[in-house]
Amino acid sequence: SQKIEQNSEALNIQEGKTATLTCNYTNYSPAYLQWYRQDPGRGPVFLLLIRENEKEKRKERLKVTFDTTLKQSLFHITASQPADSATYLCALSPGANNLFFGTGTRLTVIP
Amino acid sequence: NAGVTQTPKFQVLKTGQSMTLQCAQDMNHEYMSWYRQDPGMGLRLIHYSVGAGITDQGEVPNGYNVSRSTTEDFPLRLLSAAPSQTSVYFCASSFNPLGFEQFFGPGTRLTVL
Repeated sequence: SQKIEQNSEALNIQEGKTATLTCNYTNYSPAYLQWYRQDPGRGPVFLLLIRENEKEKRKERLKVTFDTTLKQSLFHITASQPADSATYLCALSPGANNLFFGTGTRLTVIP
Repeated sequence: NAGVTQTPKFQVLKTGQSMTLQCAQDMNHEYMSWYRQDPGMGLRLIHYSVGAGITDQGEVPNGYNVSRSTTEDFPLRLLSAAPSQTSVYFCASSFNPLGFEQFFGPGTRLTVL
């Protein structure tokens, strides 16, 4: 069956360190992979998209990698801040009009 | 711009009741979609629309109906609510297909007793 796994339900890190979140998938061939941030009681907010033929994407303190051989994406937040505390979701799209989400990783940045 | 708006924010229904969750966007997006979010599961696509008059099923469409008579609105109908439909529902819209950046609404928390 198709599955998207995000490394852990919760991740705690010290302020200033780099947070690394993992998204592993099986039985998908995603053309696109997205990362979203979700705060409690709110809808997800788009952060980054990476295509299957791209290895890495950056946006300010965020970096996403995409390894289609390992079937894995890594999401990095450098110089993390308490304001980065949220749940982060990965989402895969095998084609134009389908989108499958992982269950998310709740990140807490400790001051 | 208000972005994507959803009403109501909270709703409690009894089994068998019907209701419509409203979704509207003011960004002139062609694509709109509905998801449900349950604990321990990722967001799951219920229905989507690629433009006014065109809708299609997602991953979990059973028990839900949609229509898209205007670009702005995409209501989700529950014809006979069941406890299994207790969830948080999110509407999203986008310029491009679902594989690209989605703009989500604030969600509707629905409880079916």
